[in-house]
Amino acid sequence: AQKITQTQPGMFVQEKEAVTLDCTYDTSDPSYGLFWYKQPSSGEMIFLIYQGSYDQQNATEGRYSLNFQKARKSANLVISASQLGDSAMYFCAMRELHNTDKLIFGTGTRLQVFP
Amino acid sequence: EAEVAQSPRYKITEKSQAVAFWCDPISGHATLYWYRQILGQGPELLVQFQDESVVDDSQLPKDRFSAERLKGVDSTLKIQPAELGDSAMYLCASSLVGEATGELFFGEGSRLTVL
Repeated sequence: AQKITQTQPGMFVQEKEAVTLDCTYDTSDPSYGLFWYKQPSSGEMIFLIYQGSYDQQNATEGRYSLNFQKARKSANLVISASQLGDSAMYFCAMRELHNTDKLIFGTGTRLQVFP
Repeated sequence: EAEVAQSPRYKITEKSQAVAFWCDPISGHATLYWYRQILGQGPELLVQFQDESVVDDSQLPKDRFSAERLKGVDSTLKIQPAELGDSAMYLCASSLVGEATGELFFGEGSRLTVL
C-alpha cells in the first residue's frame, strides 16, 4: 500500500536562508510520481514541483528543488532563499501509475519564515 | 487561467441538517476528486470520478455521504445528516485522464462547520 510520511510537524527558517522539508514514501509500484503542494492559510492547494520515478535528474522550479533519493525512498523539498510569503503548510504527495490515479498526501509540515 | 470552481466557500450548519457542495472542474478534465481535510491533517480522498463513473469511493462514508457527476462535468457532494465530526475543508480537484504524472488542480475549497 502506498504511504507518505512527513516527520516534521513544524519548521522555522530565517528569511533568505534555505530550508529542507522531509518526505519519505512507500510503494510497490515501480512507476509513480511525487508532488509537493503549498497550502497558505487561505486554504487553496498550490502545486510546487513534480518528480517522476524514472526521472534521472532532480526536479527544480525556481527556488524549489526536490532532492530525490530513490533507494532511500525520500523526496525532500528544498526551498532556497526563503521569503516571508513562504510561510504555509507544505504537503508531500504520491501518485502510482498503475493505481487509480489517486493522489495520497502526507500529514504536512508547517513552515514559518521569520525576518 | 482556467480554475476549479467550488461553492459555497463557507458553510455553517447544525448537526442532522443536510449540506451540499458543488464543484466545476477545469474544462476538459475528465478526472474529478473530492478530498476532505480535517484541520491540521493532510487531505484524504473521499471519491474519484472519471467522467460520470466512480473510480474510487472506498473512503466515502456511504451511510451519510453521496457524490454524483451526472453528466461527467460538474459534481455535487452531499452530506445528510451532518455530524460534528464532519467539520472540515472539502476540496475538489481535477486532472486530465491518463496523466498519472500530471498535477491535480485544486479549487479554493468549501469550509464546513457543524454546530
